[in-house]
Amino acid sequence: DGGITQSPKYLFRKEGQNVTLSCEQNLNHDAMYWYRQDPGQGLRLIYYSQIVNDFQKGDIAEGYSVSREKKESFPLTVTSAQKNPTAFYLCASSINGINQPQHFGDGTRLSIL
Amino acid sequence: AQKITQTQPGMFVQEKEAVTLDCTYDTSDQSYGLFWYKQPSSGEMIFLIYQGSYDEQNATEGRYSLNFQKARKSANLVISASQLGDSAMYFCAMREGRAGGSYIPTFGRGTSLIVHP
Repeated sequence: DGGITQSPKYLFRKEGQNVTLSCEQNLNHDAMYWYRQDPGQGLRLIYYSQIVNDFQKGDIAEGYSVSREKKESFPLTVTSAQKNPTAFYLCASSINGINQPQHFGDGTRLSIL
Repeated sequence: AQKITQTQPGMFVQEKEAVTLDCTYDTSDQSYGLFWYKQPSSGEMIFLIYQGSYDEQNATEGRYSLNFQKARKSANLVISASQLGDSAMYFCAMREGRAGGSYIPTFGRGTSLIVHP
């Protein structure tokens, strides 16, 4: 079955530590996205990538970094510069087009220890 | 200014009744796409229905229909015959063409729907 896999489901970060959230898709989609969701809020775009080896900042990129070395993979690193990282993180992929829905992973819940 | 506005933070509906979730959008583009997603308490986002700006007929998918009023820039989701499993957050989203050929979706803040037995 095709889909998007995010891991881990739960993650804890210590002060000053970088952590990496994994996102893998086997849908052969060119575009991939990372969103942050806080309680009672919609989805805010962190980074997106339309093609391998290229990515763009979204609305809230500060304190985060990404890479897109393979079409299937788009890992997100939450750096120590992100002072309020506690949130639910969703990864998505899609065919790039106005009429194309996004396919989402199950999310990673990140908390501060 | 918000591009997608969902004015109902929470909605309640009796099982088997219909419910309408509101969504208004703001764009100057002629070509755009509108989407609705469902997010159960488990967290995953599930695509429900799509409406293109040039579509003349309202989109339907099973119990879901989209009441598209282009002049009013509204794209309300109608769920008929509500079921207990419909209890979830519902998000409206829009894709517009952007510079460089990207189509980055913009999401509303969501509406929490609770279906009572």
